[in-house]
Amino acid sequence: GAVVSQHPSRVICKSGTSVKIECRSLDFQATTMFWYRQFPKQSLMLMATSNEGSKATYEQGVEKDKFLINHASLTLSTLTVTSAHPEDSSFYICSARPVWGARTNEKLFFGSGTQLSVL
Amino acid sequence: AQTVTQSQPEMSVQEAETVTLSCTYDTSESDYYLFWYKQPPSRQMILVIRQEAYKQQNATENRFSVNFQKAAKSFSLKISDSQLGDAAMYFCAFFPGSARQLTFGSGTQLTVLP
Repeated sequence: GAVVSQHPSRVICKSGTSVKIECRSLDFQATTMFWYRQFPKQSLMLMATSNEGSKATYEQGVEKDKFLINHASLTLSTLTVTSAHPEDSSFYICSARPVWGARTNEKLFFGSGTQLSVL
Repeated sequence: AQTVTQSQPEMSVQEAETVTLSCTYDTSESDYYLFWYKQPPSRQMILVIRQEAYKQQNATENRFSVNFQKAAKSFSLKISDSQLGDAAMYFCAFFPGSARQLTFGSGTQLTVLP
């Protein structure tokens, strides 16, 4: 099956620093990538949707200047948490929608997630 | 806006028994997809089963099956012959043809008792 690689799996950083999380589709091209945030024992909350070559669309309440998303190619999207603070500590997950996602085969593939801890 | 409701925060089932997880959704769209995802302690999201709204036949994947009631906007997941490895958080998710984004329910934590 299709694989989405997300790195790093875990990162600890100091308050005020920036952290970059990568999401790569390894064996398919993704027209759209999604970024989610998940707090312990809660559901996934969509942060933003990115399409290759265009600006990301952010959900209400998500600061676009704080959570920078770049979707430079059909196989790579990055999320940069700028000037991280302890309240940004969370589990971040990406998912990718394949180019070949025909209507009869609509699927999303998920990365393994990144646990961010800001000290 | 679409909403997905999972009214059972926690469920438990005895090993080898059957359990049903409930999910309801609200939408005005006629073309959409429904999914059940499993999130074990590793936190990797795993697709369990998917259903296209235009298909009347309920989807089945081995021990997992759904009861899709389109008029009632209900999409329950039945796990037969439950195994210890089925223990996980289960999320119901809705993907409309137009909105291009997945909306998740709040999840049901399933415990399998040996």
